[in-house]
Amino acid sequence: RKEVEQDPGPFNVPEGATVAFNCTYSNSASQSFFWYRQDCRKEPKLLMSVYSSGNEDGRFTAQLNRASQYISLLIRDSKLSDSATYLCVVNIAGSGNTPLVFGKGTRLSVIA
Amino acid sequence: GAGVSQSPSNKVTEKGKDVELRCDPISGHTALYWYRQRLGQGLEFLIYFQGNSAPDKSGLPSDRFSAERTGESVSTLTIQRTQQEDSAVYLCASSSSSWGREKFFGPGTRLTVL
Repeated sequence: RKEVEQDPGPFNVPEGATVAFNCTYSNSASQSFFWYRQDCRKEPKLLMSVYSSGNEDGRFTAQLNRASQYISLLIRDSKLSDSATYLCVVNIAGSGNTPLVFGKGTRLSVIA
Repeated sequence: GAGVSQSPSNKVTEKGKDVELRCDPISGHTALYWYRQRLGQGLEFLIYFQGNSAPDKSGLPSDRFSAERTGESVSTLTIQRTQQEDSAVYLCASSSSSWGREKFFGPGTRLTVL
């Protein structure tokens, strides 16, 4: 099983739609979680951290389920500018482990 | 303040030549990562530096790849005898620690091996 798995998509949604992505991770020692956004031919940039209690930033909501080892990202009222690839990132604890593991990303296209 | 910078931004080389890619992390960041991203693919971990600890080289794909870091500053990634499959964007990221902190990425070096 891969350490971090995401549905690659693409998710094609109309403007104004709500869309959700899930990401599963295999290492129970994972300590912190992030969603990054990567635009075409650009470097990844932090979208939001994911906290145990769940957190919201405007139209974006992130949630963590430690028992089932998945995190989610919900985007409400999608905008054209939300079109990008969303990367799930997991920080794994413990010596000898690479501490930062990226999923391969989920591609979102918001259509007018 | 300056972000992570990488040079060159683009590099075209011939198969069999050596290349050196440079990363300048954000000042004070102790953790530095190199990733590779092939066209349309996800990020592939290459190597990780944390302070003065031995680097985690577990992601280097072959012995043609090596990287160094001078203290907590500049890092160079060297690819010897380049092959066409080495063509990719090489991304460098840094953070203030390895745990639970945002990783800031540089703009990447786009390497094309002809």
